[in-house]
Amino acid sequence: DIQMTQSPSSLSASVGDRVTITCRASQTISSYLNWYQQKPGKAPKLLIYAASSLQSGVPSRFSGSGSGTDFSLTISSLQPEDFATYFCQQSYTTFTFGGGTKVEIK
Amino acid sequence: QLQLQESRPGPVKPSETLSLTCTVSGGSISNNSYYWGWIRQPPGKGLEWIGSFYYRGTSYYNPSLKSRVTISVDTSKSQFSLKLISVTAADAAVYYCARLWYGSGHMDVWGQGTTVTVSS
Repeated sequence: DIQMTQSPSSLSASVGDRVTITCRASQTISSYLNWYQQKPGKAPKLLIYAASSLQSGVPSRFSGSGSGTDFSLTISSLQPEDFATYFCQQSYTTFTFGGGTKVEIK
Repeated sequence: QLQLQESRPGPVKPSETLSLTCTVSGGSISNNSYYWGWIRQPPGKGLEWIGSFYYRGTSYYNPSLKSRVTISVDTSKSQFSLKLISVTAADAAVYYCARLWYGSGHMDVWGQGTTVTVSS
């Protein structure tokens, strides 16, 4: 099985900050990496697919990069509605999610 | 607009079988661009993929659950179902159904989720 490791598990940041979350796969997954945002009591929402493609309707302050085993999600200027938990997911071989990164208000 | 809605089961007792249905509206389960699947999230924890199927009959299951899971589809009702046998307290979670893109595997449409409790 492919394991996905996210870091950090949580972070505190202020509105306007640039935030980067990383995700590492236990083996190469090419660009089969997707990012989701989840708010309490809600279903996950797709942000980025295929490592760097922005899902329709998602603000351009969200971006993704990486290939192989190392990936990142960047929020260029954190907004109040961005405080949430973020998950990466590999889709190279079946599907595995990372453990999540909770973005909290500083 | 495509929408997915999970059924709401009653409490399930340990060792019994959990059955859930996902109803798809605003689109076709038989669209060859998509898989359909189930994902769960125990309270306060992360996401776990349970299994997925392609309408032509191919199914994939999480190896850790494979012996206990069956996913089936009823295209005439635009529904797909999850059956999980021999449940334990560890199976208590919010269960989501979702649409997955064939090829890239990203999950772009999700149901709102349904809470499953396991209690004697």
